[in-house]
Amino acid sequence: GESVGLHLPTLSVQEGDNSIINCAYSNSASDYFIWYKQESGKGPQFIIDIRSNMDKRQGQRVTVLLNKTVKHLSLQIAATQPGDSAVYFCAGGAGGSYIPTFGRGTSLIVHP
Amino acid sequence: DGGITQSPKYLFRKEGQNVTLSCEQNLNHDAMYWYRQDPGQGLRLIYYSHIVNDFQKGDIAEGYSVSREKKESFPLTVTSAQKNPTAFYLCASSPPKWDTQYFGPGTRLTVL
Repeated sequence: GESVGLHLPTLSVQEGDNSIINCAYSNSASDYFIWYKQESGKGPQFIIDIRSNMDKRQGQRVTVLLNKTVKHLSLQIAATQPGDSAVYFCAGGAGGSYIPTFGRGTSLIVHP
Repeated sequence: DGGITQSPKYLFRKEGQNVTLSCEQNLNHDAMYWYRQDPGQGLRLIYYSHIVNDFQKGDIAEGYSVSREKKESFPLTVTSAQKNPTAFYLCASSPPKWDTQYFGPGTRLTVL
């Protein structure tokens, strides 16, 4: 079955730096991926998604890169701010199914 | 104001008691989900429902029960059979077929 995992449990950066959070997946049939941000004590919030027919997608200060060859995706946050401090999850699955698989999350800590 | 609501935010239960967690959505989504989150862990699927009056067990359904009598509502009952119920519970909904899941704010259940 699908497994999705994040490479690092914690990432510490300085305010203003760019942050990169990585995620690997196992199922080559996965064709839809989402990044979520979860602040302490709250539910996950959608950040950005990408489908397998794309390699890159940009949002406001965030970019998701998808490498299907090595089954890897990353979330890049530009000019990281203290408000970006949270746990970030990737989720992946096959479009048309109902059940995504979530990674464990990377805790991003932004130092002022 | 559209979205998903969960209540209560905090819930305390004595051992041997059943408790019911509420989840309501006004997004007109067909699919609804319940997840459990433990510290440092990813989201684990308890139950999901594609359509009214139908639901399926997830990976950790033992000790839990659900109902889906209305499209807007998907309550979760944590029974006394659940051996370790203390956790953060998240409800989510999505349009037909898995697409972006939208999460509620969560309910933190503590067994005393």
